[in-house]
Parts: sequence; C-alpha cells; structure tokens
Amino acid sequence: GEDVEQSLFLSVREGDSSVINCTYTDSSSTYLYWYKQEPGAGLQLLTYIFSNMDMKQDQRLTVLLNKKDKHLSLRIADTQTGDSAIYFCAEILGSNQFYFGTGTSLTVIP
Amino acid sequence: DVKVTQSSRYLVKRTGEKVFLECVQDMDHENMFWYRQDPGLGLRLIYFSYDVKMKEKGDIPEGYSVSREKKERFSLILESASTNQTSMYLCASSLSVGTYEQYFGPGTRLTVT
Repeated sequence: GEDVEQSLFLSVREGDSSVINCTYTDSSSTYLYWYKQEPGAGLQLLTYIFSNMDMKQDQRLTVLLNKKDKHLSLRIADTQTGDSAIYFCAEILGSNQFYFGTGTSLTVIP
Repeated sequence: DVKVTQSSRYLVKRTGEKVFLECVQDMDHENMFWYRQDPGLGLRLIYFSYDVKMKEKGDIPEGYSVSREKKERFSLILESASTNQTSMYLCASSLSVGTYEQYFGPGTRLTVT
C-alpha cells in the first residue's frame, strides 16, 4: 500500500469531463477514497468506494474501480473552474493505515 | 458539523527551536494522524495514535515526537527544528469503525529559517 501513483498534472477546458487516474498497490484495501484539496486548505473527502463495487456515481462524480488492475479513476462531468484543486486518491488497510497518492493538480481553463 | 482545528495556520521558527503543533477534534474519534505534505510527494505519515497515550510511527518519524494525553488532542513536537522540516503539516482524525474516512484540519505551514 505504500506506492499509490497518480499523474501530477491535468488541464481541461471548462465544461469538458475530467478523468483523474490512480494506481494502488494492495488488493486487500477495503475502501478507496478521493479527496480534494483547495489552495491553502486541508483535504476534504469527495467520495469513497467499497472494494466490492465497480462503480459509484454521485452527481457529477463517477468513481470506477478495476480491482484486477488495481486501478481507480474519478470522472468529473461538466468541469467547472471551482473544481480546480489537487485531487488525492487513498487506500486503507485495516482500520487506520491510510496510503495517499501523490496528488493530481487539476487546472480548469475558462 | 465535523471539525478538526490546528493551532496555527502559519508558523516561522528558527533552526534548533522546539516547535509544538496542536490539533483538536470534536468528533470523539479514536484515531488521529499527523502528515506532512510536500510538492510532488503527496502526504507522508509521520505518526498516528489509535487511543489516548498510544502512538505508532508512520513512514517518516525521524525528528518528530507526538503526545496524546486526551482523546480530542494530538500534538506534534519537533524537538530541534531543522530547515528540512519546512513543510505543510496536516492533522486528521477518523473512527475505527464504518467507512474509516479521515477528516482533516486546515493545515499549518511551517517555515524553519
């Protein structure tokens, strides 16, 4: 669970969809999470998915989980300038061992 | 509303000083965590605590210590601050049951000169 990988940067145009990808390492993770960090702030939980699910949708957010490839993605539909932030994926082992990715900085171009 | 607070948003200290970073949560969470965040490295766990007076080392504990005397409060101590400890420090808390998600404070940006 120590090498959770993400691309560092992503730019999209306002109104397009954004897809942020994450590769995690431990197949025994029970939950996987997406967090958002706005400039100068702490991390805020966006959504999570239980490991026995393939997909979860929550308004403009869609999470896809491919357990075979240990791949997690976050799709943001109709991306807005307010979505510009750093997005972290995270996995958990047990009840308190969290591993965060390096974060993807999303820039939304008006 | 869930709340994790940190004692300072910005802090400037000199090399060799002893530094205390305080974190308080009001959610009765068992687990509390200290991370540091550096560009391109994501969040790295320094220490965590799963109960009062209990602590576990994370990935980068060297140069740091912690204290948890009360359930709601978790302190990070830099015994002798060094310039390579200049960073953003984030505190978080979580329950030991349910979906385990962590709740974060706003962060403390520490500069050591």
